[in-house]
Amino acid sequence: AQKVTQAQTEISVVEKEDVTLDCVYETRDTTYYLFWYKQPPSGELVFLIRRNSFDEQNEISGRYSWNFQKSTSSFNFTITASQVVDSAVYFCALSEADGRSQGNLIFGKGTKLSVKP
Amino acid sequence: EPEVTQTPSHQVTQMGQEVILRCVPISNHLYFYWYRQILGQKVEFLVSFYNNEISEKSEIFDDQFSVERPDGSNFTLKIRSTKLEDSAMYFCASSVSGGLATEAFFGQGTRLTVV
Repeated sequence: AQKVTQAQTEISVVEKEDVTLDCVYETRDTTYYLFWYKQPPSGELVFLIRRNSFDEQNEISGRYSWNFQKSTSSFNFTITASQVVDSAVYFCALSEADGRSQGNLIFGKGTKLSVKP
Repeated sequence: EPEVTQTPSHQVTQMGQEVILRCVPISNHLYFYWYRQILGQKVEFLVSFYNNEISEKSEIFDDQFSVERPDGSNFTLKIRSTKLEDSAMYFCASSVSGGLATEAFFGQGTRLTVV
């Protein structure tokens, strides 16, 4: 079973629309971290956010916001008033304590977001 | 702003050849990682390295792979005898510390094409 599921393979929106990228995770640990990374067409991975399992407060950073709900094991990412520059593949990732982990990340398959002008 | 640097950006090699992918982590970071992303697929963990030894490796990281920190600045991934299925983007990452809260900084990747 996948540990991090991003069910949306591709999303296409028109500029200024709001868009939510879904992430559902699976872990038996009580302590874990969740991450979002952005991969623009240039290929690099850009860190967006880290959230620990004990902090369920939603976070807003400019046009970006994140909704963490432990009850549904979800960590969704919303972009408000999307822009063409938001076009990228977005990865959700999990870091868990399995006794061996040194913090390696388990990535979802990614959601490709296309924002059209 | 400090960044992780990877060279080359693109490498083409013949099947069976050895390749070395190079990375310069951020200078005060102590933990180093290699990840792989086959085209169009998810990013997969290969190996983590701390204190001059491998601290964890995935099932993908078999005997044909090795890592080394040959000097104080470089961190390399060697693939001994490349196969077609090794074609992928390889990302190096580094972090100040290890553990769950690790914020790994990723390089821009090396695209390896095995022909």
